Order: sequence, then C-alpha cells, then structure tokens
Amino acid sequence: GAVVSQHPSRVICKSGTSVKIECRSLDFQATTMFWYRQFPKQSLMLMATSNEGSKATYEQGVEKDKFLINHASLTLSTLTVTSAHPEDSSFYICSARGVGQGETEAFFGQGTRLTVV
Amino acid sequence: GQNIDQPTEMTATEGAIVQINCTYQTSGFNGLFWYQQHAGEAPTFLSYNVLDGLEEKGRFSSFLSRSKGYSYLLLKELQMKDSASYLCAVSDSNYQLIWGAGTKLIIKP
Repeated sequence: GAVVSQHPSRVICKSGTSVKIECRSLDFQATTMFWYRQFPKQSLMLMATSNEGSKATYEQGVEKDKFLINHASLTLSTLTVTSAHPEDSSFYICSARGVGQGETEAFFGQGTRLTVV
Repeated sequence: GQNIDQPTEMTATEGAIVQINCTYQTSGFNGLFWYQQHAGEAPTFLSYNVLDGLEEKGRFSSFLSRSKGYSYLLLKELQMKDSASYLCAVSDSNYQLIWGAGTKLIIKP
C-alpha cells in the first residue's frame, strides 16, 4: 500500500510556543490530506481537510488561526499548532488520499504525540 | 445526521472467535472500512466492503448488509496481539470518512 510519513512522532513543547507537524506522501500524489486529533480512549476527530493549493476546510469548533494547515505541494501538508497550551496535548494523525482514491483505504501517517508542558 | 454505532468494549478468550458489530446511518454510502488501532499508534487498514456479503482475509472477515446499514468484523483464532481498538468507518457520498468511536477488544488467556 501507499506510504504516508508523519514527523515528528513525539514532541514536547512549552506552553505558548508553536509546533509544526509534517505529513508526506512518499509514493503517490496526495491531492487531499486529512488532519485528525485523538484523545485517549476516543475515536478520531477530523480537524480539517486540505486540498493541494487551496485553503483548508476546518470542522466546526476547530480554530483555524490556532491550527494552521498548509498543503503547498502534492506530497506535503503541515499542521502548525500555534501558541500551544496543555489542553492541546493530544495524538495528531494525518491521512492522505490521491486522485481516484476516494473509494479506497485512507493511508495514515504514524501519528504525532504532542505534549505541552 | 450521520451516525456510526459500535460497542465500546468487548472481551474474548485467546483462541476463540469474536464478532464486532457496526451499524451506520450516513448521507450516501461509498464503502465501509475496518481499521485496527493499537494504543498510541495510528490505525491500520483491515478491510473494505462496498457490496453486500462476506469478505474473508485470513483470520479476519468482514460482512456488509447495505439494506440494513450493518456490518461486522469477525476475528477467528484470537491471539493476544489482537487486543486493540477496532474502528468502523463509512465513506459517505462525498467520500468523506465518518468514524465510529471504536470497540476496544480485550483478549484474555
């Protein structure tokens, strides 16, 4: 299957700083990328959907000025958590889909465990 | 609204068989996925059903009935490593994935 690489896998940052998470599709062109967050013992919560070259579509309740998403190329999307606070500590996961892949599995990155202290 | 229901937690014995059910109500249907997720890791793909019937893949099988809005994941010959959460997800009319809350499966020796 297709490979999606997410980096870093773990990050600890101080409250008030910003953290950037990268999501790369290694062997296909990801026209659409999805960003999820997952709290312990809960399911995936979609934060936003990004299409290459256009602005991300955020889900209700997700602050677009706090969670900056950039999808500048067909193989890279980034999520920046700005002015992070302890309540932003969570597991962040990206998934990617290429052209004509809507009917197939979502390819996930490895996830990023963010801890804000 | 869109809704995916699956049991919160199930317990089974090593070597046995377990069936995890999933019912759904979505705007449109373009397939149903099952994913396995171990704690602290990203989900991994298990199966995809878009037509009614049973799909078998080794120890895992997945069944779909579109008229009933129902699917199940069947795990045979359970192993301790099968202890994980199992997520049901439906692709809606826009090919967006609608996720269930997941079923935590506990395997006992």
